[in-house]
Amino acid sequence: RKEVEQDPGPFNVPEGATVAFNCTYSNSASQSFFWYRQDCRKEPKLLMSVYSSGNEDGRFTAQLNRASQYISLLIRDSKLSDSATYLCAVLTGNQFYFGTGTSLTVIP
Amino acid sequence: EPEVTQTPSHQVTQMGQEVILRCVPISNHLYFYWYRQILGQKVEFLVSFYNNEISEKSEIFDDQFSVERPDGSNFTLKIRSTKLEDSAMYFCASRPGQGNYGYTFGSGTRLTVV
Repeated sequence: RKEVEQDPGPFNVPEGATVAFNCTYSNSASQSFFWYRQDCRKEPKLLMSVYSSGNEDGRFTAQLNRASQYISLLIRDSKLSDSATYLCAVLTGNQFYFGTGTSLTVIP
Repeated sequence: EPEVTQTPSHQVTQMGQEVILRCVPISNHLYFYWYRQILGQKVEFLVSFYNNEISEKSEIFDDQFSVERPDGSNFTLKIRSTKLEDSAMYFCASRPGQGNYGYTFGSGTRLTVV
C-alpha cells in the first residue's frame, strides 16, 4: 500500500474557478503534513503546512482530517500562475513521503 | 532567503561511470536528504542523513550509492557505476530539525546517463 495517494489529474479549470485536491495517507502515526508546488522541471517549493484546525493563506486553504487520514488543498479564484503540479507531503518519523502530484492547468 | 545549492545543474555521463552530485544545505539545518524524480514520475526518497550518518535509506539506495558530508558544509551523493535507469532529477533537501518543518529543496541536478 502506498504511503501517500493522490489523484494525478490533470485538472483543467478556467481562470477564477475554485479547485480542490485531496490526498490520503496510510500511516496513522504520521505527524506533519504539507503541500508543495512544483513547476515543470523545477524543484518542489513549500506552499503551506497543514494544521489540524485547518489554515488559510490568501486564496489557499488547507485542511487535515486525521480520522479519515486525508489532507486537502482548496484554491479559490484560480490564476493562470497557479498552473503547476501540487504535491502533498507527509512526514512520518524523519522522512517525508510525497504523493505523485496533481497537475493543474488554469485556462484563460 | 536561505537556499539549498546544488551543482552541477546538469550532468551527462556514460553508463558505468562514477558521478558525484554536490549540495550545500542551509547552514543551520541538521537533517539532509537526497530525493530523485524520474521524468514524469513522483519524487522518491533515497536517503536521509543526520549527525554525520545515514539515518534511513530506501530500497533504491543500494550499494552503488553513497553519501558524505566531508567538510561540514557540502553534502554529496555518489553513484559508483551509473546505469541508464539512474537518469533522473536529483534533489537535495534539508530541514532545521525535528518538528513541523518542511523541507527546503535545492534546484536539482539533472543526471543523464547515456
